[in-house]
Amino acid sequence: NAGVTQTPKFQVLKTGQSMTLQCAQDMNHNSMYWYRQDPGMGLRLIYYSASEGTTDKGEVPNGYNVSRLNKREFSLRLESAAPSQTSVYFCASSITGKNTEAFFGQGTRLTVV
Amino acid sequence: GQQVMQIPQYQHVQEGEDFTTYCNSSTTLSNIQWYKQRPGGHPVFLIQLVKSGEVKKQKRLTFQFGEAKKNSSLHITATQTTDVGTYFCAGFHSGGGADGLTFGKGTHLIIQP
Repeated sequence: NAGVTQTPKFQVLKTGQSMTLQCAQDMNHNSMYWYRQDPGMGLRLIYYSASEGTTDKGEVPNGYNVSRLNKREFSLRLESAAPSQTSVYFCASSITGKNTEAFFGQGTRLTVV
Repeated sequence: GQQVMQIPQYQHVQEGEDFTTYCNSSTTLSNIQWYKQRPGGHPVFLIQLVKSGEVKKQKRLTFQFGEAKKNSSLHITATQTTDVGTYFCAGFHSGGGADGLTFGKGTHLIIQP
């Protein structure tokens, strides 16, 4: 049982380049999330999807877009990467939005130079 | 916006000493969850508290949820080297707002042998 799978694990981008971070879960969860983690800042919610076909902004959505492709997959896109987007990105999923634990992927370490 | 404040940011203890981290919210929480992240790893769910005044124990870990459902604490008795990591509280805020977990900035537990 793979749980939440993120790809890639590491990525270096040049300023202005675009890329998509992939996330897939095999637990039949309804809700999926993207967080970024920076030193001293904890985990900040970028976007979330309460169910297939819906997405909503979190605390720090600027510079990102998301797609809930189907129930399993939730991708995060950086259209024009900036050094401020250097971070570790975590995807997570839960059965429903509230009162259920979140399962996290292994993370993507992104560096924008 | 809705925030969950967590203190202290860092805690150094000698192995065998106790450790406590505190979590406070300015608004009422519908529930609170605690996660542990080992160095280089991803957050892993520990427990969820839902009821006002609730206390739960997991071996040497004791979790409390305040009567007003605005604060919580995690206490570890007789720390061991395996307890090293960052402990995060995370809450869902009552009455609307983002339907994603809002994380505190975490407490880094550093254990000196």
